[in-house]
Amino acid sequence: SQTIHQWPATLVQPVGSPLSLECTVEGTSNPNLYWYRQAAGRGLQLLFYSVGIGQISSEVPQNLSASRPQDRQFILSSKKLLLSDSGFYLCAWNPGRGGTEAFFGQGTRLTVV
Amino acid sequence: TQLLEQSPQFLSIQEGENLTVYCNSSSVFSSLQWYRQEPGEGPVLLVTVVTGGEVKKLKRLTFQFGDARKDSSLHITAAQPGDTGLYLCAGPKGKLIFGQGTTLQVKP
Repeated sequence: SQTIHQWPATLVQPVGSPLSLECTVEGTSNPNLYWYRQAAGRGLQLLFYSVGIGQISSEVPQNLSASRPQDRQFILSSKKLLLSDSGFYLCAWNPGRGGTEAFFGQGTRLTVV
Repeated sequence: TQLLEQSPQFLSIQEGENLTVYCNSSSVFSSLQWYRQEPGEGPVLLVTVVTGGEVKKLKRLTFQFGDARKDSSLHITAAQPGDTGLYLCAGPKGKLIFGQGTTLQVKP
């Protein structure tokens, strides 16, 4: 069966520090991968998605970036965090090839102080 | 502009009441999905509706896809405190996009 791992679960970082959130998927190959951000009690804002290694689409201009160094690994990064980067970050995957259902990691609560 | 509009944004009801949550768009979707999310966790898929006019039931939850495939509804019968959470609709437009969610609070 497929599983998705996202870490860390919580993170407190000072303004101006770098960020690296990692997400890996097991039990499938060539998944579509997504990074979303969620404000408290609200919907999901799509940040990045990837349909293959090295293929990243950015949805919202910001100081975040994403990379997909391996087929089942998706990384969200920042060189210098802003206070406004605080939020709940979710990684998700779906099978692609017509499969639309998304399966989510447990999320990372990022607080920038 | 939100491609998927959910209403209401917040709903607080007593245990045993019925409720309906709506997900509307001006665009046609090949399918729509409903997710439920609890605080501090990722959303979990409840159902996918694919055919216009389709109705799917999941215990006390009934999901309907509009005939024109531009809207969907989620109806909960006899709500229970365990139904409390954030309900999200989503649909594929190249990538998967989400509505802004409906927060449901069911009081015992």
